[in-house]
Order: sequence, then C-alpha cells, then structure tokens
Amino acid sequence: GAGVSQTPSNKVTEKGKYVELRCDPISGHTALYWYRQSLGQGPEFLIYFQGTGAADDSGLPNDRFFAVRPEGSVSTLKIQRTERGDSAVYLCASRRTGGTGELFFGEGSRLTVL
Amino acid sequence: DAKTTQPTSMDCAEGRAANLPCNHSTISGNEYVYWYRQIHSQGPQYIIHGLKNNETNEMASLIITEDRKSSTLILPHATLRDTAVYYCIVRDDKIIFGKGTRLHILP
Repeated sequence: GAGVSQTPSNKVTEKGKYVELRCDPISGHTALYWYRQSLGQGPEFLIYFQGTGAADDSGLPNDRFFAVRPEGSVSTLKIQRTERGDSAVYLCASRRTGGTGELFFGEGSRLTVL
Repeated sequence: DAKTTQPTSMDCAEGRAANLPCNHSTISGNEYVYWYRQIHSQGPQYIIHGLKNNETNEMASLIITEDRKSSTLILPHATLRDTAVYYCIVRDDKIIFGKGTRLHILP
C-alpha cells in the first residue's frame, strides 16, 4: 500500500511478556517516528530515526523499551517485561527529507497488557 | 514539553467558520508552525503549516501573527466531519504534540 502500515493492529498480552510492534513506512521516507497515545492524551514522542540510526530516543520511558530500524525502512518497537501501564496505542509516522515536512501516520497498534 | 498552548475544547456551529487559536510565544525564528488533526481511532492527519506568511490550502487557512507568537487555524465552513482533536505544533526534529483542542461541530 501507499501509506504507513503498522502491525499488529491489536495486541493483547499478559504482564511480563515481550512484545514487538512493527512499522512499515512509506517507501523512500528517511525519517521514522514512534509515539505512544493514551486515552484522552496527545501522542507522546518516543523515538525518531533518520535512516538507520536513532536520532533522538529521549522519549523512551525506560530501558524496557527499544526500537530498531536496521535497513532504514521497516522499524520494530520492542517492549520487554510489559506492564499494565504500557497499555496504549502505539503510533508510527514517517516523512521524507525536504518537501512540506509533514508526518504521515499509520493507524496505530493498540496494546493491552492484562 | 510541547511549545504550544491551546484551549482544551471548542464548539462551532455547522456551516460556520471554526477559528482555533494557538499560542507559541517561545517559537524560534526558523521554526515552522504545523497543524494536525486526529479523528477518533485514527492516526493524526496533516492539515497545513507555515513560517511567517499566512497560508491557505484546500482544507484550511493558517493566520500567523506578525511577531509569530500565536496563530489561528481557520476551517472556513465547518462540517460534522471536522469534529476532531486539532494539534498545533512548533516543529523541531522531535515533533512534540500537546493535548490539542477538541473541536465539536454542532448540527
């Protein structure tokens, strides 16, 4: 497809489990962002990549959260030892270098930790 | 932290112009103002952006004050489909969202 694709759309897991969320950005977009959104709140910045490298990971809440983008396209957000407080919608967005600078968002992955 | 402040919510009658304000008093000279909106259960959608001059596209108009410390997003003829949360962002590389304005369009 032409848009940003996120999988899974829904994930239910138990406390303590490991979770991976995948983002497939628009082809050719060099920058990729991860956000977390809780009910009634705006998207909370987690990390952004420029190419393969994490340009800013200051939003990752703790060392249980990690993200990779090994080939500069698909990215995976990894959450270890999940906690109930990790339940949220995880949004991915991408943008190309130059142009309007707009972010194109996926539909998000809803994570529920029981 | 977000560099912008917006009202928590606003109402607008269908067919009227919706004017959404945003304060960004600490904006730097080379920072753009971006607006996004988020309709329930969807990812945010880009609306418009600007630096100094007023901008207009098929979705909205953006009015930026001369001192650049505030701006207004204008939806000229609001419809029920414009009900959403509207986010004003002063863009640096991280792109930080605030809580936005929840716009209710009243029939």
